[in-house]
Amino acid sequence: DAGITQSPRHKVTETGTPVTLRCHQTENHRYMYWYRQDPGHGLRLIHYSYGVKDTDKGEVSDGYSVSRSKTEDFLLTLESATSSQTSVYFCAISESIGSTEAFFGQGTRLTVV
Amino acid sequence: SQQGEEDPQALSIQEGENATMNCSYKTSINNLQWYRQNSGRGLVHLILIRSNEREKHSGRLRVTLDTSKKSSSLLITASRAADTASYFCATDYGDYKLSFGAGTTVTVRA
Repeated sequence: DAGITQSPRHKVTETGTPVTLRCHQTENHRYMYWYRQDPGHGLRLIHYSYGVKDTDKGEVSDGYSVSRSKTEDFLLTLESATSSQTSVYFCAISESIGSTEAFFGQGTRLTVV
Repeated sequence: SQQGEEDPQALSIQEGENATMNCSYKTSINNLQWYRQNSGRGLVHLILIRSNEREKHSGRLRVTLDTSKKSSSLLITASRAADTASYFCATDYGDYKLSFGAGTTVTVRA
């Protein structure tokens, strides 16, 4: 299995609080992604990174920010959590986009109450 | 919105039967990939097909790509109970992003 871990695996938080999810990889892959998965929507890209300090928005980036200060860590922050951000969040890594497979973490189930 | 769309949304088959699902996308791609997700788990890569390829095999999996129709199909032959999962296509448009469809949920009945 690829060395990718997400933490925490489960979290319950209150509306309006900030939340940070962590993705850690030991593969030295250049590309890292944050997706959310909701019933009926599949996986939707939130933010992605193509190198240290190089990040860009995906299709559902509102309310989220990311940071990548080193190759192995990609943080996703919900600045002020809302109930609509209740979801399962997946991190993925890829050595090169498109020509190789992406490896996924086990997911973080976030509930905003 | 997702760039790739799978069809059907759900599929129920008997063990031993073949399962076919399709993926349509909107614009030109570099590559297309298929992934499997077992309930409550992360996605696992199955197969990648490049834009200049028309068909690819991996074990019981067969993937086709028709760039003129902007569509791909995944065939699972001789299905097993362990094939019960959701299957997603993912498209790479050459812009660093990997875009996923909503998936096809496959149930294999014993």
